[in-house]
This record gives sequence, C-alpha cells and structure tokens, in this order.
Amino acid sequence: GAVVSQHPSRVICKSGTSVKIECRSLDFQATTMFWYRQFPKQSLMLMATSNEGSKATYEQGVEKDKFLINHASLTLSTLTVTSAHPEDSSFYICSARTPGQVSEKLFFGSGTQLSVL
Amino acid sequence: SQKIEQNSEALNIQEGKTATLTCNYTNYSPAYLQWYRQDPGRGPVFLLLIRENEKEKRKERLKVTFDTTLKQSLFHITASQPADSATYLCAPPPSSASKIIFGSGTRLSIRP
Repeated sequence: GAVVSQHPSRVICKSGTSVKIECRSLDFQATTMFWYRQFPKQSLMLMATSNEGSKATYEQGVEKDKFLINHASLTLSTLTVTSAHPEDSSFYICSARTPGQVSEKLFFGSGTQLSVL
Repeated sequence: SQKIEQNSEALNIQEGKTATLTCNYTNYSPAYLQWYRQDPGRGPVFLLLIRENEKEKRKERLKVTFDTTLKQSLFHITASQPADSATYLCAPPPSSASKIIFGSGTRLSIRP
C-alpha cells in the first residue's frame, strides 16, 4: 500500500517556540492531505485539510494563525505550531489518499508526539 | 445531526474468543463504512471497507457486517490474540469536503 512518512516522531520544545512537522507521501502524489490531532484516549480530531497549491481549510475552532499549514508540493505538507504552549501538547497525525480515490481509505503517517514544556 | 457512535468503553476479551465491536450511525444513511486499527503512539491503519449493499465482508480473522435496518456495523475478530489489542475506529464516508471524520474508537484488550 501507499506510504506516508511523518517527521519528527517526537519533539519536546520550550513554550513560545515554533515546531514544524513534515508529512510526505513517498510513493504517490497527494493533492490533499489531512491533519489530525489526538489527545490521550480520545479519537482523532480533524484540524485542517491541506490542499496543494492553495490555502488550507481549517475546521471550526482551529486557529489558522496558530497552526500554519503549507502544501507546496504534491508530496509534502507541513504543519507549524507557532508559539507553542503546554496546551498544544498532543499527538499530531497526517494522512493522505492516493490519486483517483475520492472517497475511500486514508493512509496515515506514524504521528508526532509534541510535548511543550 | 449526523452521528457515528462507537462503544467508548474498553472491551476486554479472553484470548481465543471472538471480539465484537459496534459502530452505530444516526440521522443519515452512509454508502459505506470503514474500519481502522490504531496502536498506541501510531497512526491508524485501514482494515476493511463495507458498502451498504454488502451484508458481510471478511479478511482473514476479521469480519464486518452492515445492517442498514439497525443502522449498525459490527466488527468481529475471531480467534482473538493478544496482538489484536488496539483501538479500532469506525469511519463514515467523507463529508462534502472529502474529509473523513472518525468515530470515538473502541479500545480492545485481549488477555492471554
């Protein structure tokens, strides 16, 4: 199956710093990628839809100036958590579909555990 | 409003038994449902998709059913093993924006 690579897998940072998370589709081109956030023992919460070459679409309640998304190429989307605070500590996961599949399965990255001190 | 619900309580099963997880939906009729597995600290992995006109679908020890009358999908793992312990997520078709929203997931523990 398709492979989605996410990096880093774990990051610890000081409050007030910015953290960038990368999501790459390794063997396919992804015009759309999705960013999810997950708190312990809770389900995935969709944060935003990343569209190649255009602005991301954010879910209600997600601050677009806080969570910057860039999808500059067909294989790379980045999520930058700006001025991170302890409440931003969470597990962030990206996903993508292979081309031509409008409504079917997602391939997920391995996730990034962010801890803000 | 449209809703997908899974039993949010953990399910503990004795090894070798069949584990059955439930996904209920209300206020709409999804054309299909997907099931994913998520291990701690990892991203979900796709397992099965069942369409509304399919009563049952199987993959090795996994079986999924879709009952449009009960508005429910059941996910079965037969001859369960401790390695089957994980959280299982149910997901409906994407919304108009082609995004998939997941159910709350059920945490399954298989004890030896």
